[in-house]
Amino acid sequence: GAVVSQHPSWVICKSGTSVKIECRSLDFQATTMFWYRQFPKQSLMLMATSNEGSKATYEQGVEKDKFLINHASLTLSTLTVTSAHPEDSSFYICSAGQGTQNQPQHFGDGTRLSIL
Amino acid sequence: ILNVEQSPQSLHVQEGDSTNFTCSFPSSNFYALHWYRWETAKSPEALFVMTLNGDEKKKGRISATLNTKEGYSYLYIKGSQPEDSATSLCASRGGGTASKLTFGTGTRL
Repeated sequence: GAVVSQHPSWVICKSGTSVKIECRSLDFQATTMFWYRQFPKQSLMLMATSNEGSKATYEQGVEKDKFLINHASLTLSTLTVTSAHPEDSSFYICSAGQGTQNQPQHFGDGTRLSIL
Repeated sequence: ILNVEQSPQSLHVQEGDSTNFTCSFPSSNFYALHWYRWETAKSPEALFVMTLNGDEKKKGRISATLNTKEGYSYLYIKGSQPEDSATSLCASRGGGTASKLTFGTGTRL
């Protein structure tokens, strides 16, 4: 149980393109989903916390107009990288929580984004 | 300690060897410590969530201990096997309902 599906797993696109990444909880309802970014040899850095039916909470330094997050249902959150540039190239991964803070997070497989 | 730090960054062991990794985290305002196992091309898999000082948890050949007063956790792997090759990630959560997980950079075995 507690499977999170993330799609796509790999994207290569031209500079200026917008890219949407989907994160779905397949067998549970996720009231909260988290979006992380990881640059080479660095740790997973939280970008934003997504709550179903409300606006996402962004971490300091993360541009909310650049990284649009939508959490329209209890099983789906999306991250859209708008007008992507080479510096946005990174590994993006989502996770979902099942409820209490003592529960682990369940992660997707991640998306490798390369902007040419 | 302001961030979550893990050591070593990577290590190689012989099959059958036992090994351990360290995770250091801020001891003030501590709420929980998570351990995840992350194999290449897969998603991170939860190993343990630990909250109490002195906690010890075990899952097969993998175990972990927690010292919240001094801000460290150890992950032990007994009798390493090839399938244990992965990155072990730890993450600390502070108190508060909106608290987030802060990850270390991982130890690659």
